[in-house]
Parts: sequence; C-alpha cells; structure tokens
Amino acid sequence: GDSVTQMEGPVTLSEEAFLTINCTYTATGYPSLFWYVQYPGEGLQLLLKATKADDKGSNKGFEATYRKETTSFHLEKGSVQVSDSAVYFCALSAPSNTGKLIFGQGTTLQVKP
Amino acid sequence: NAGVTQTPKFQVLKTGQSMTLQCAQDMNHNSMYWYRQDPGMGLRLIYYSASEGTTDKGEVPNGYNVSRLNKREFSLRLESAAPSQTSVYFCASSGLNRGGTGELFFGEGSRLTVL
Repeated sequence: GDSVTQMEGPVTLSEEAFLTINCTYTATGYPSLFWYVQYPGEGLQLLLKATKADDKGSNKGFEATYRKETTSFHLEKGSVQVSDSAVYFCALSAPSNTGKLIFGQGTTLQVKP
Repeated sequence: NAGVTQTPKFQVLKTGQSMTLQCAQDMNHNSMYWYRQDPGMGLRLIYYSASEGTTDKGEVPNGYNVSRLNKREFSLRLESAAPSQTSVYFCASSGLNRGGTGELFFGEGSRLTVL
C-alpha cells in the first residue's frame, strides 16, 4: 500500500544553518505531496504542497521539489531560525484516496540560537 | 475564524469507560477525518467521512465508532476505552470531494489518557 518514510529525528541545528529533511514515498499512480508543520501544543498546518512531478512547493523560505524518478519530496531551507523549531510531517494523497492523507512518522527540528 | 474545533482538549479515562470526542468545522467542507498521533508513528487515520451521510474505516478503526451528524460535525466514540487508546486525537476537514486532493485543516487536538 501507499506509504511515506521520513528521516529519523530529532534534528538539531544552529540558527542560520541549512536544513534538509528527507522524505520518500511509495504510491500507485500520481499522488500529491505535502509538508505539514506542527508547532508545540498546536494542530498541524500546511507548509507547502506539490501536485505533479517536477513541481516545487515553497512557503516561508521552505521548499521541496516533487521528484518522481527518485520518489522523493525532500524539505529544504537555506537559513533556519529558532522559530522554525517544530515537528515536520511529509504526507501524500493518492487520487483514489478520497482526499485522505498518509503521513510519515514526523521529524522533530530543534534550532538553537 | 474558528476553523476546526475539537472538544474536549484533555480527558482522563479509566479502562472500560466510554467517551465521545466532538469535532465541528465552519468552512462548509464536505470531508472530515479523525487521526491519532503517537510518538514515532506519525498520524494514522482512524475513520473518515468523504461527504455527509457516509463514513469509512481508515488504517486503525478497531475500538472506535464515528457519526457524521451533519455537514459540520463528525464525532468519534470510544465505547470501552483501553490503555492502547492513549493518544492525541486530531480532527481535520477538507473541501474536496472524492478523488480530489488538497489541504486538510486540523483542529488543535484532544489529548486522551486511559488508565
């Protein structure tokens, strides 16, 4: 079945460091791909998405490119801030899934000043 | 801008007790979802409702029941709580119909502890 695999966390970085969080997926057909962020004590909120191969989603300095050949959707940011500390979830939605999302296990990011 | 509202935010139950988690959305969305979040396992889908009047099982439905009361409300019931149901529960909604893909809007979560 469809699945999403994220890199293990936690990831600890210093402020202004470069961030990469790896995400790979397995799916039939052509899924849409998402990154969600969860700040402490809050629900998840959409960070960015891409709906077809080679699309790049971007928001708040984060970006991710839909790579069909490597079935990946890695999240990157050039310079992280303390306020980026959160849990990041990669997710997919296959066209036959009635809109429901399949999530990866989440990666905790901690940014130190 | 209420979005998705869940109640209660916290609950402690004893094994065997029952309870209902309530969820309401004010975005006129067709689809609603219940997920549970456990450490190291991400979010797993319990049940979903693609449209008013329909409900379907997700990945981990055992021990739960749901009711899509109307377009706005989607409740999750634990009939006989077990310690394995200790988790954080999230309700979400989406404006897309069957076959669509798009953003899910999440509530703030309900933290349930079963002793």
